[in-house]
Order: sequence, then structure tokens, then C-alpha cells
Amino acid sequence: NAGVTQTPKFRVLKTGQSMTLLCAQDMNHEYMYWYRQDPGMGLRLIHYSVGEGTTAKGEVPDGYNVSRLKKQNFLLGLESAAPSQTSVYFCASTFLASGNEQFFGPGTRLTVL
Amino acid sequence: DQQVKQNSPSLSVQEGRISILNCDYTNSMFDYFLWYKKYPAEGPTFLISISSIKDKNEDGRFTVFLNKSAKHLSLHIVPSQPGDSAVYFCAARYNFNKFYFGSGTKLNVKP
Repeated sequence: NAGVTQTPKFRVLKTGQSMTLLCAQDMNHEYMYWYRQDPGMGLRLIHYSVGEGTTAKGEVPDGYNVSRLKKQNFLLGLESAAPSQTSVYFCASTFLASGNEQFFGPGTRLTVL
Repeated sequence: DQQVKQNSPSLSVQEGRISILNCDYTNSMFDYFLWYKKYPAEGPTFLISISSIKDKNEDGRFTVFLNKSAKHLSLHIVPSQPGDSAVYFCAARYNFNKFYFGSGTKLNVKP
């Protein structure tokens, strides 16, 4: 039981490049989330999903796209990376029944030059 | 504008004493509040939560207090241990599926 895993752990991009961050969970959770953490800002919600095939915008969705084609996976895409997207990205998941405790992945540190 | 605020970036306490971490919020529609603990290079881990219909929840050394009229919650750790040194985030749930986090408080428990 791996919990929530994120791929990759680290990445350096040049401005304008694209990439996809993968989040996978093996707990059969309905809800999945993508957050970014910046110094002094805490965790801010980018996008979230309440089930397979559904996604919704969070607080800071601009510049990101997401997809939830399978229940266990939640992908975060950056089509044209910008230096402002340099951050640590966390994925989380939780049960539909509780909606409370979120289980977080270890994070992806992304630097955009 | 941040809806959940942790105004103390850091807190230092002596081992064995009480640690009190504070959190303020602005949205009266939040229905659940949670505390997470985060070590460097790891994801946050859940610590304790409280429903908006309660004013206190206790779990071992950790107690969360909620004052709805003041829109304020606090986490008490008694007694504090060096292993409690970490960043603590408070979070609030809105509409059953969205969560807003504070900016975190770094707790240092000195041996």
C-alpha cells in the first residue's frame, strides 16, 4: 500500500517548456487535489476532482490543466511553463464519505528558469 | 485575500511545556477545520480535526479548540516533545470538497 505517490520528485524546466506531473493513489479515494506551496503562502488549491472524469478549478488554476481519466490517477499539466510556476507541488486524496482528512504525496519540486 | 491566516510564522517552546498554535479564518461557511504537520521534504500529514458544531476535540497530547464567534481556532500540544518540531498548517473545508490552508507556523521544541 503505497498511499499517494508523485512523479517526478524534481524537475527543472526552461520558460515555455511543457510537462505533466503524475499523481497516483491506491486507496480508492474519490477526491483528488493539486496544491502548490510557496514561501509565506501556505498551500493553495490549483485544481481538484470529485470523481473519475470530473475536474474543477481551485484558487489558482491559471496556467495549469488537469485530467482524471482513471480514478487512481490525477495529472497536472503545464502547457507553457513560466518562472512564476516555480514551486513545490503536492497532490492529495481523500474519501467521499469523510471529505476531511487528506492524504498527501511527498511533493514535486519544480524550477522554471 | 487569504481566508485562513496563521499570523505567527514561528514558535519556540521548551520540551515539556505547552505549545499553542493559532489560526484565524474569515468565511463563516467553513464547516470543518483540520491541522496538518509537515516535516521538510515530505508531504503534510493529518493531525487532528474539528467540526464547526463542536468547540473542542482532543486526541492524546493534541487538542483543538474552536471559537466560532471569534472565527478562531487553536492547537494545543501538551507536553511538547522535540519530535513535534515541524511546520503546522491549519485548513478549513468549504462546500464539502474544497480546502483552504493557512501559511503555516514553524514550531521548534527545544530539548
